[in-house]
Amino acid sequence: EPEVTQTPSHQVTQMGQEVILRCVPISNHLYFYWYRQILGQKVEFLVSFYNNEISEKSEIFDDQFSVERPDGSNFTLKIRSTKLEDSAMYFCASIRGETVIGSYEQYFGPGTRLTVT
Amino acid sequence: GENVEQHPSTLSVQEGDSAVIKCTYSDSASNYFPWYKQELGKRPQLIIDIRSNVGEKKDQRIAVTLNKTAKHFSLHITETQPEDSAVYFCAAVGGGTSYGKLTFGQGTILTVHP
Repeated sequence: EPEVTQTPSHQVTQMGQEVILRCVPISNHLYFYWYRQILGQKVEFLVSFYNNEISEKSEIFDDQFSVERPDGSNFTLKIRSTKLEDSAMYFCASIRGETVIGSYEQYFGPGTRLTVT
Repeated sequence: GENVEQHPSTLSVQEGDSAVIKCTYSDSASNYFPWYKQELGKRPQLIIDIRSNVGEKKDQRIAVTLNKTAKHFSLHITETQPEDSAVYFCAAVGGGTSYGKLTFGQGTILTVHP
């Protein structure tokens, strides 16, 4: 069964550094998402992406964040200048999207644990 | 935007007992309500979901009920087993501009004692 993959599984970075988190969604999926989960807390929506543009972003997703789908397979989340409070697990997810039936089943990647020191 | 509240935050049961977790949502246009199980350090795993045109759905020991009028939905686990111990999240997909965007509840730590 196809799966969403994410790399790296764990990233350690220093405050102020840029990080890029990578995701490969399932190949025939059309809708892509990034979520964040701070340790011990709920999963929070960051951004959704469809047709090569952002469809919605949360308040967390400020100017330090950006997303890209550079080559039709990878989906990346960049944090320009990391802060301590960016330490969290970041999950990529995708939905196939069937406009007639409205399939919402979301497939999550295994996550990237980001630690900012 | 959508807001999802989940209760209780922790739930402790004996093996074989039933467990019930409840969620309420705020957006009356929400139309899809999944439940996820998450083990430590792992991704959320979909265990059951329900659409707004259905009142109840069952899959073996797991069932979900939805009350659209009251805007709440519940997860029922019967004959609990120690391997059911995990964090459970409810979520809702609202009627906003972003297709499929999930808003999660705060999570319930379920502990099943042998």
